[in-house]
Amino acid sequence: DSGVTQTPKHLITATGQRVTLRCSPRSGDLSVYWYQQSLDQGLQFLIHYYNGEERAKGNILERFSAQQFPDLHSELNLSSLELGDSALYFCASSVVGRGDTQYFGPGTRLTVL
Amino acid sequence: TQLLEQSPQFLSIQEGENLTVYCNSSSVFSSLQWYRQEPGEGPVLLVTVVTGGEVKKLKRLTFQFGDARKDSSLHITAAQTGDTGLYLCAGASPGGSYIPTFGRGTSLIVHP
Repeated sequence: DSGVTQTPKHLITATGQRVTLRCSPRSGDLSVYWYQQSLDQGLQFLIHYYNGEERAKGNILERFSAQQFPDLHSELNLSSLELGDSALYFCASSVVGRGDTQYFGPGTRLTVL
Repeated sequence: TQLLEQSPQFLSIQEGENLTVYCNSSSVFSSLQWYRQEPGEGPVLLVTVVTGGEVKKLKRLTFQFGDARKDSSLHITAAQTGDTGLYLCAGASPGGSYIPTFGRGTSLIVHP
């Protein structure tokens, strides 16, 4: 158990819908990262937040957005869902977010039908 | 966009055999990390290498960072069934924000 929690574990929805994935970092960690893992693309970095502020963006689509709240939990919002958005979405946390050890959550498996 | 190429993509071996997994790029990385991921779980960090030429050992696993910090290898001695999993390398670009680039991974199956 990494100490990072993600909900829900599984999510099945239809094209065009909007979903919210939630992540609670390890106690004391200020940084939260979001990743997308699919069979054809591998693990892709989406976005990084540190203490409530966006720090870096990766290959995140405009239909996707994220935020980190004052209690440090984070949410990833995915809208206008397409079939190709079906993937595993991981959240990871670290203490400072400058290449220090990231602890990954168990992931949310999103299926878009 | 920095790319990390991992090889081989798949590896199926018998318990007790040795193996090496490679992670290559044309870009320089400030650090490189190796992770292992088991089905249904998130990746777990095995090691971080920072200095060119650095070698780190973790029990039966030996990690090496290339002198030019563009490539890395993971060698497993006397593989065990518990080593089965997806091995991912991830590089961090020099300077500025930490934006990790992951390889596609090597899927290892160790048969008893």
